[in-house]
Amino acid sequence: KAGVTQTPRYLIKTRGQQVTLSCSPISGHRSVSWYQQTPGQGLQFLFEYFSETQRNKGNFPGRFSGRQFSNSRSEMNVSTLELGDSALYLCASSGTSGNLYTGELFFGEGSRLTVL
Amino acid sequence: AQSVSQHNHHVILSEAASLELGCNYSYGGTVNLFWYVQYPGQHLQLLLKYFSGDPLVKGIKGFEAEFIKSKFSFNLRKPSVQWSDTAEYFCAVTSSGSARQLTFGSGTQLTVLP
Repeated sequence: KAGVTQTPRYLIKTRGQQVTLSCSPISGHRSVSWYQQTPGQGLQFLFEYFSETQRNKGNFPGRFSGRQFSNSRSEMNVSTLELGDSALYLCASSGTSGNLYTGELFFGEGSRLTVL
Repeated sequence: AQSVSQHNHHVILSEAASLELGCNYSYGGTVNLFWYVQYPGQHLQLLLKYFSGDPLVKGIKGFEAEFIKSKFSFNLRKPSVQWSDTAEYFCAVTSSGSARQLTFGSGTQLTVLP
């Protein structure tokens, strides 16, 4: 089956702009998580959505937001971009067997954001 | 808050050498533990996971890890590495209360020389 798809793969923005990243999870997966990956901070959790509801949120400023649609596709938005927002943004989806968490995140290849 | 430490940032081995990557976590409650791998140019993928039961878990490509609760450790091992194992390895932990929120270690870059 198709994996997690993230678009766009690469983008360049300037400070002060905003950006929207998109993620299509694996078919049947209802949970979508977002992570930021940088050389200095590593992989950091941004937020997680399940059935259109944000269930967990990491320690990021309010400029970072997200949403999930009824088809489980998710978007994240970063407003008023700063140089430090340059990173690889990873989306991951996970499924369940009934109500049990299967324990595995399936990651996309990421969207690499460069802020100039 | 939970945290994960990977003490080896870069490991260089020759083919056929044995591998052990350290991972220690800090969290007082029940945890689920993972090792993810990122091959060059590829996405992160699960290597193995521990939820409960036998503390020695086996993953893909001959990797295994042992959960030692008393040491808060979940070290990754492989008896004989191959050039194709060159990748970055991430240890991750999640508490049972936030099962889909992973806390990752900083990663270990493994380079295997042919």
